[in-house]
Amino acid sequence: KNEVEQSPQNLTAQEGEFITINCSYSVGISALHWLQQHPGGGIVSLFMLSSGKKKHGRLIATINIQEKHSSLHITASHPRDSAVYICAVSTFGGATNKLIFGTGTLLAVQP
Amino acid sequence: GAVVSQHPSWVICKSGTSVKIECRSLDFQATTMFWYRQFPKQSLMLMATSNEGSKATYEQGVEKDKFLINHASLTLSTLTVTSAHPEDSSFYICRASKYTEAFFGQGTRLTVV
Repeated sequence: KNEVEQSPQNLTAQEGEFITINCSYSVGISALHWLQQHPGGGIVSLFMLSSGKKKHGRLIATINIQEKHSSLHITASHPRDSAVYICAVSTFGGATNKLIFGTGTLLAVQP
Repeated sequence: GAVVSQHPSWVICKSGTSVKIECRSLDFQATTMFWYRQFPKQSLMLMATSNEGSKATYEQGVEKDKFLINHASLTLSTLTVTSAHPEDSSFYICRASKYTEAFFGQGTRLTVV
């Protein structure tokens, strides 16, 4: 079983829909990251969370430390939101700040 | 947010030649830089961790003589793919670490012909 699990693996939505991507983890973490990768492109860090909730534009990320679960929400989705969304966790211990990645969620928003 | 610049964004080279990829943190000092490789439709695979002024730590299965990593300053790390072969064709991406935050470069698409 992977230490970081994401669901769904693939998601197709119509423009304007509210989207939720889930991430569960089984290790102790110092922070959780939501990343975005467009096809053939680099990776953009959307959020870093250690507790609570963060909002940036149409994106909202929440984390429940007790349940070891995080969600990424996209409101009023748009075709330009189409990308792979990756959940990654920073684990405790050492100064190297390694990340453990989920397998990603491929989101396609259709006009 | 912080900016990490990776160069080149794509490169095509002949089999047997070497290719250098640069990763620069433009507005902060990165004590640790990470190099990843990504195959199509797969997650990132950590290749090595580099700390400024010391030898890189390679993950199991990564050939350190083939993938040379140099972290000469707090703002620059380089990955050199030596004697490249077609199987080295991949997407390579760096990450600079600032505390627990994650800042990624734009990635380099390497094609070896």
